[in-house]
Amino acid sequence: QQQVKQSPQSLIVQKGGISIINCAYENTAFDYFPWYQQFPGKGPALLIAIRPDVSEKKEGRFTISFNKSAKQFSLHIMDSQPGDSATYFCAASKITSYDKVIFGPGTSLSVIP
Amino acid sequence: KAGVTQTPRYLIKTRGQQVTLSCSPISGHRSVSWYQQTPGQGLQFLFEYFSETQRNKGNFPGRFSGRQFSNSRSEMNVSTLELGDSALYLCASSGTIPYTQYFGPGTRLTVL
Repeated sequence: QQQVKQSPQSLIVQKGGISIINCAYENTAFDYFPWYQQFPGKGPALLIAIRPDVSEKKEGRFTISFNKSAKQFSLHIMDSQPGDSATYFCAASKITSYDKVIFGPGTSLSVIP
Repeated sequence: KAGVTQTPRYLIKTRGQQVTLSCSPISGHRSVSWYQQTPGQGLQFLFEYFSETQRNKGNFPGRFSGRQFSNSRSEMNVSTLELGDSALYLCASSGTIPYTQYFGPGTRLTVL
């Protein structure tokens, strides 16, 4: 019930293409879904987050799509650039709860020229 | 605002030794969480401290312990180091709702 599944494990995309990473959760009590980006040698950094009262949130080239009934959410990176090459983690938590944040296993994205 | 800082950034120890890692959260943040990150296991939650009290705990052996001081700075300690403890140890702080976590750069621990 506490698990967050993430796919694919790794992803190779051509420069200019769309990168799509999918996540699924089981606990319907989760109501806050952040995405983190991690470059080698660095800690994860918050990229974008969504709450289940909206189906989509866009910030620049990054978009989260949320499907509450399917308990799934995904990150789309439009016009992918080599500088986007990093590991991406989805996460889930209860926004007003002190319970720990549950992270997905991560997706390694490589954007090739 | 300054970000989360962790010291030291790199550490090399031998089996059986113990190690203490330090984390200074973002100013005003009272929650500090610790994670172990390895290539095969992703982000593994160790524990979380809030106002000097452990609020959440992951599934790690008792060799892993932590504490938080009145200024919210936190330390974690690993005793009797094993080769498998080699990892990147990340600290994250969070403030008010939403409890978004802000990570530090991590401490890279190598156990020989």
